[in-house]
Amino acid sequence: GDSVTQMEGPVTLSEEAFLTINCTYTATGYPSLFWYVQYPGEGLQLLLKATKADDKGSNKGFEATYRKETTSFHLEKGSVQVSDSAVYFCALMNYGGSQGNLIFGKGTKLSVKP
Amino acid sequence: EAQVTQNPRYLITVTGKKLTVTCSQNMNHEYMSWYRQDPGLGLRQIYYSMNVEVTDKGDVPEGYKVSRKEKRNFPLILESPSPNQTSLYFCASSPTSTGLNEKLFFGSGTQLSVL
Repeated sequence: GDSVTQMEGPVTLSEEAFLTINCTYTATGYPSLFWYVQYPGEGLQLLLKATKADDKGSNKGFEATYRKETTSFHLEKGSVQVSDSAVYFCALMNYGGSQGNLIFGKGTKLSVKP
Repeated sequence: EAQVTQNPRYLITVTGKKLTVTCSQNMNHEYMSWYRQDPGLGLRQIYYSMNVEVTDKGDVPEGYKVSRKEKRNFPLILESPSPNQTSLYFCASSPTSTGLNEKLFFGSGTQLSVL
């Protein structure tokens, strides 16, 4: 079945460091890919998405490019801030499979130190 | 304000005592879903609903029930809670279930402890 694998955390960085969180997927067909973010004590929020190969999603300085050849959707940010500390979830939705289910990775916790 | 509201935020109960976690959305969304979040396992879908009176099992439905009698409400029912249902629960909704808009709106979560 479809699945998402993301790098294990926690990831600890200093402010202004470069961030990469790796995400790879397994799916038949042409899934849409997402990054959600969960700030402490809150529900998840959509951060960015890409719906087809080579699309780049971007928001709040974060970027991710849909790479079909490597089945990847890595999240990057050039200069992280303390306010970026959160748990980040990679997810996919595959229209070739069961409708109604967004499949999440296990999440990667990011801590940014001043 | 557009939102998904879950209640209660925290709940401690004992094994076997029936409980209901409520979820309500004010955005006229067709699609609603329940997830549980456990350390090291991420989010797993329990049940979802494509529209009123239409519900279906997710990945981990055992021990849970849901109903969708009205568009705005999607309660999660634990008829006989057990300690392995201790978890953080999230309700989510989306405008449509056809894939035209895949963005999910999440509630703030319900932390359930079953003793």
